[in-house]
Amino acid sequence: DTEVTQTPKHLVMGMTNKKSLKCEQHMGHRAMYWYKQKAKKPPELMFVYSYEKLSINESVPSRFSPECPNSSLLNLHLHALQPEDSALYLCASSQAPAGTVRGYTFGSGTRLTVV
Amino acid sequence: GIQVEQSPPDLILQEGANSTLRCNFSDSVNNLQWFHQNPWGQLINLFYIPSGTKQNGRLSATTVATERYSLLYISSSQTTDSGVYFCAVGVYSSASKIIFGSGTRLSIRP
Repeated sequence: DTEVTQTPKHLVMGMTNKKSLKCEQHMGHRAMYWYKQKAKKPPELMFVYSYEKLSINESVPSRFSPECPNSSLLNLHLHALQPEDSALYLCASSQAPAGTVRGYTFGSGTRLTVV
Repeated sequence: GIQVEQSPPDLILQEGANSTLRCNFSDSVNNLQWFHQNPWGQLINLFYIPSGTKQNGRLSATTVATERYSLLYISSSQTTDSGVYFCAVGVYSSASKIIFGSGTRLSIRP
Protein backbone atom coordinates (compact mmCIF):
# COMPACT_ATOMS: atom_id res chain seq x y z
CA ASP A 1 0.00 0.00 0.00
CA THR A 2 1.65 3.21 -1.19
CA GLU A 3 -1.19 5.59 -0.55
CA VAL A 4 -2.22 8.27 1.87
CA THR A 5 -6.00 8.26 2.23
CA GLN A 6 -7.87 11.40 3.27
CA THR A 7 -11.52 11.70 4.19
CA PRO A 8 -13.78 13.41 3.46
CA LYS A 9 -12.85 14.67 -0.01
CA HIS A 10 -15.16 17.67 0.31
CA LEU A 11 -16.52 19.39 3.40
CA VAL A 12 -18.80 22.38 3.84
CA MET A 13 -19.15 23.63 7.39
CA GLY A 14 -20.62 26.57 9.22
CA MET A 15 -18.58 28.82 11.43
CA THR A 16 -20.08 27.30 14.58
CA ASN A 17 -19.62 23.66 13.54
CA LYS A 18 -17.09 21.13 14.78
CA LYS A 19 -15.70 18.70 12.22
CA SER A 20 -12.67 16.47 11.77
CA LEU A 21 -10.45 15.60 8.83
CA LYS A 22 -8.87 12.15 8.73
CA CYS A 23 -5.69 10.85 7.19
CA GLU A 24 -4.42 7.25 7.08
CA GLN A 25 -1.29 5.57 5.72
CA HIS A 26 0.04 2.03 5.93
CA MET A 27 3.52 2.54 4.50
CA GLY A 28 5.24 2.41 7.88
CA HIS A 29 6.05 6.11 7.68
CA ARG A 30 6.71 7.64 11.10
CA ALA A 31 6.42 11.30 10.06
CA MET A 32 3.06 12.81 9.15
CA TYR A 33 2.11 16.32 8.14
CA TRP A 34 -0.82 18.65 7.65
CA TYR A 35 -0.63 21.32 4.95
CA LYS A 36 -3.03 24.06 3.92
CA GLN A 37 -3.14 25.17 0.30
CA LYS A 38 -4.92 28.22 -1.02
CA ALA A 39 -5.67 28.61 -4.71
CA LYS A 40 -2.60 29.27 -6.89
CA LYS A 41 -0.24 29.00 -3.90
CA PRO A 42 2.16 26.27 -2.76
CA PRO A 43 1.23 24.08 0.20
CA GLU A 44 1.90 25.72 3.58
CA LEU A 45 3.04 23.55 6.45
CA MET A 46 0.74 23.55 9.48
CA PHE A 47 1.83 20.66 11.73
CA VAL A 48 4.46 17.92 11.81
CA TYR A 49 4.21 14.71 13.81
CA SER A 50 7.30 12.60 14.25
CA TYR A 51 6.94 9.21 15.94
CA GLU A 52 3.40 10.21 16.96
CA LYS A 53 4.59 13.34 18.79
CA LEU A 54 3.88 16.87 17.65
CA SER A 55 7.24 18.31 16.62
CA ILE A 56 6.22 21.44 14.72
CA ASN A 57 3.26 23.79 14.99
CA GLU A 58 3.68 26.61 12.50
CA SER A 59 1.83 29.15 14.68
CA VAL A 60 -1.50 27.74 13.58
CA PRO A 61 -4.61 29.22 15.28
CA SER A 62 -6.07 27.07 18.06
CA ARG A 63 -9.26 26.54 16.08
CA PHE A 64 -7.19 23.85 14.30
CA SER A 65 -6.28 20.97 16.62
CA PRO A 66 -4.18 18.04 15.36
CA GLU A 67 -4.16 14.55 16.81
CA CYS A 68 -2.07 11.47 16.04
CA PRO A 69 -3.74 8.48 17.75
CA ASN A 70 -1.26 5.95 16.32
CA SER A 71 1.46 5.63 13.71
CA SER A 72 -1.03 5.18 10.85
CA LEU A 73 -3.60 7.85 11.63
CA LEU A 74 -3.63 11.63 11.71
CA ASN A 75 -6.65 13.78 12.47
CA LEU A 76 -7.28 17.50 12.22
CA HIS A 77 -10.10 18.75 14.42
CA LEU A 78 -11.81 21.94 13.29
CA HIS A 79 -13.85 24.28 15.44
CA ALA A 80 -15.18 27.82 14.96
CA LEU A 81 -13.46 28.29 11.62
CA GLN A 82 -13.57 31.47 9.58
CA PRO A 83 -14.41 31.82 5.87
CA GLU A 84 -10.73 32.58 5.17
CA ASP A 85 -9.91 29.06 6.38
CA SER A 86 -11.52 27.69 3.23
CA ALA A 87 -8.76 25.84 1.37
CA LEU A 88 -7.45 22.46 0.28
CA TYR A 89 -6.09 20.59 3.31
CA LEU A 90 -3.42 18.06 2.45
CA CYS A 91 -2.00 15.29 4.55
CA ALA A 92 1.40 13.80 3.80
CA SER A 93 3.70 11.20 5.25
CA SER A 94 7.38 10.37 4.92
CA GLN A 95 10.09 8.21 6.36
CA ALA A 96 11.49 9.61 9.59
CA PRO A 97 13.21 11.84 10.37
CA ALA A 98 10.53 14.35 9.55
CA GLY A 99 11.67 16.57 6.74
CA THR A 100 13.10 13.78 4.62
CA VAL A 101 11.70 14.53 1.19
CA ARG A 102 12.45 11.05 -0.06
CA GLY A 103 9.33 8.95 -0.07
CA TYR A 104 7.17 11.97 0.69
CA THR A 105 3.61 11.00 -0.21
CA PHE A 106 0.56 13.25 -0.28
CA GLY A 107 -3.09 12.37 0.08
CA SER A 108 -5.59 13.72 -2.41
CA GLY A 109 -6.77 16.37 0.04
CA THR A 110 -9.96 17.63 1.63
CA ARG A 111 -11.48 20.66 -0.05
CA LEU A 112 -12.94 22.67 2.83
CA THR A 113 -15.47 25.47 2.47
CA VAL A 114 -16.46 27.50 5.53
CA VAL A 115 -19.77 29.34 5.19
CA GLY B 1 15.52 31.03 5.97
CA ILE B 2 16.11 29.24 2.73
CA GLN B 3 14.47 30.69 -0.38
CA VAL B 4 13.21 28.45 -3.18
CA GLU B 5 12.40 30.14 -6.46
CA GLN B 6 10.89 28.55 -9.53
CA SER B 7 10.75 29.82 -13.06
CA PRO B 8 8.90 30.48 -15.20
CA PRO B 9 5.76 31.05 -13.10
CA ASP B 10 3.51 30.19 -16.04
CA LEU B 11 4.09 28.30 -19.26
CA ILE B 12 1.67 27.64 -22.12
CA LEU B 13 2.73 25.15 -24.80
CA GLN B 14 1.30 23.18 -27.67
CA GLU B 15 1.09 19.42 -27.39
CA GLY B 16 4.35 17.86 -28.51
CA ALA B 17 6.59 20.73 -27.37
CA ASN B 18 9.50 20.38 -24.94
CA SER B 19 9.99 22.44 -21.80
CA THR B 20 12.51 23.13 -19.04
CA LEU B 21 11.45 24.19 -15.55
CA ARG B 22 13.97 25.61 -13.11
CA CYS B 23 14.27 25.58 -9.32
CA ASN B 24 16.87 27.76 -7.56
CA PHE B 25 17.56 27.50 -3.84
CA SER B 26 19.50 29.91 -1.68
CA ASP B 27 21.28 27.52 0.70
CA SER B 28 22.65 24.01 0.91
CA VAL B 29 20.00 21.32 0.91
CA ASN B 30 20.15 17.66 1.76
CA ASN B 31 17.24 16.56 -0.34
CA LEU B 32 15.08 17.80 -3.19
CA GLN B 33 11.87 16.49 -4.71
CA TRP B 34 9.86 17.46 -7.78
CA PHE B 35 6.06 17.15 -7.55
CA HIS B 36 3.26 17.50 -10.08
CA GLN B 37 -0.10 18.76 -8.84
CA ASN B 38 -2.84 17.80 -11.28
CA PRO B 39 -5.91 19.99 -11.89
CA TRP B 40 -7.82 18.00 -9.24
CA GLY B 41 -5.29 18.86 -6.54
CA GLN B 42 -3.43 15.57 -6.22
CA LEU B 43 0.32 15.99 -5.64
CA ILE B 44 2.38 13.25 -7.28
CA ASN B 45 6.05 12.51 -6.64
CA LEU B 46 8.07 12.81 -9.83
CA PHE B 47 11.70 12.64 -8.73
CA TYR B 48 13.70 12.52 -5.53
CA ILE B 49 16.91 14.11 -6.78
CA PRO B 50 19.33 15.72 -4.29
CA SER B 51 22.05 15.55 -6.96
CA GLY B 52 22.73 14.09 -10.39
CA THR B 53 20.35 13.20 -13.19
CA LYS B 54 17.38 10.87 -13.37
CA GLN B 55 15.00 9.96 -16.16
CA ASN B 56 11.54 8.47 -16.18
CA GLY B 57 9.97 8.21 -19.61
CA ARG B 58 9.44 11.67 -21.10
CA LEU B 59 10.53 13.38 -17.88
CA SER B 60 14.02 13.88 -16.59
CA ALA B 61 15.59 15.97 -13.85
CA THR B 62 19.03 17.27 -13.02
CA THR B 63 20.22 18.80 -9.75
CA VAL B 64 23.55 20.61 -9.44
CA ALA B 65 23.74 20.97 -5.67
CA THR B 66 27.01 22.94 -5.69
CA GLU B 67 25.37 25.60 -7.87
CA ARG B 68 22.04 25.39 -6.03
CA TYR B 69 19.65 24.64 -8.83
CA SER B 70 17.57 21.84 -10.26
CA LEU B 71 15.97 21.46 -13.69
CA LEU B 72 12.95 19.42 -14.77
CA TYR B 73 12.71 18.55 -18.45
CA ILE B 74 9.46 17.51 -20.10
CA SER B 75 9.69 16.24 -23.67
CA SER B 76 6.88 15.68 -26.18
CA SER B 77 4.33 17.31 -23.86
CA GLN B 78 0.86 15.83 -23.54
CA THR B 79 -2.31 17.50 -22.26
CA THR B 80 -2.10 15.27 -19.16
CA ASP B 81 1.14 17.05 -18.24
CA SER B 82 -0.88 20.18 -17.42
CA GLY B 83 -0.91 21.30 -13.82
CA VAL B 84 1.50 22.89 -11.37
CA TYR B 85 5.05 21.64 -10.87
CA PHE B 86 6.63 22.23 -7.46
CA CYS B 87 10.10 21.61 -6.23
CA ALA B 88 10.53 21.09 -2.49
CA VAL B 89 13.74 21.06 -0.50
CA GLY B 90 14.74 19.77 2.92
CA VAL B 91 17.43 21.77 4.66
CA TYR B 92 20.29 20.79 6.92
CA SER B 93 19.50 23.45 9.50
CA SER B 94 15.85 22.54 9.89
CA ALA B 95 15.55 18.81 9.61
CA SER B 96 11.85 18.73 10.28
CA LYS B 97 10.74 21.07 7.53
CA ILE B 98 10.62 21.08 3.81
CA ILE B 99 10.21 24.24 1.80
CA PHE B 100 8.12 24.41 -1.37
CA GLY B 101 8.89 26.68 -4.27
CA SER B 102 6.11 28.86 -5.65
CA GLY B 103 5.51 26.47 -8.55
CA THR B 104 5.34 26.60 -12.34
CA ARG B 105 1.85 26.41 -13.83
CA LEU B 106 2.03 24.46 -17.09
CA SER B 107 -0.81 24.42 -19.62
CA ILE B 108 -0.55 22.10 -22.60
CA ARG B 109 -2.93 22.96 -25.45
CA PRO B 110 -4.14 20.20 -27.83
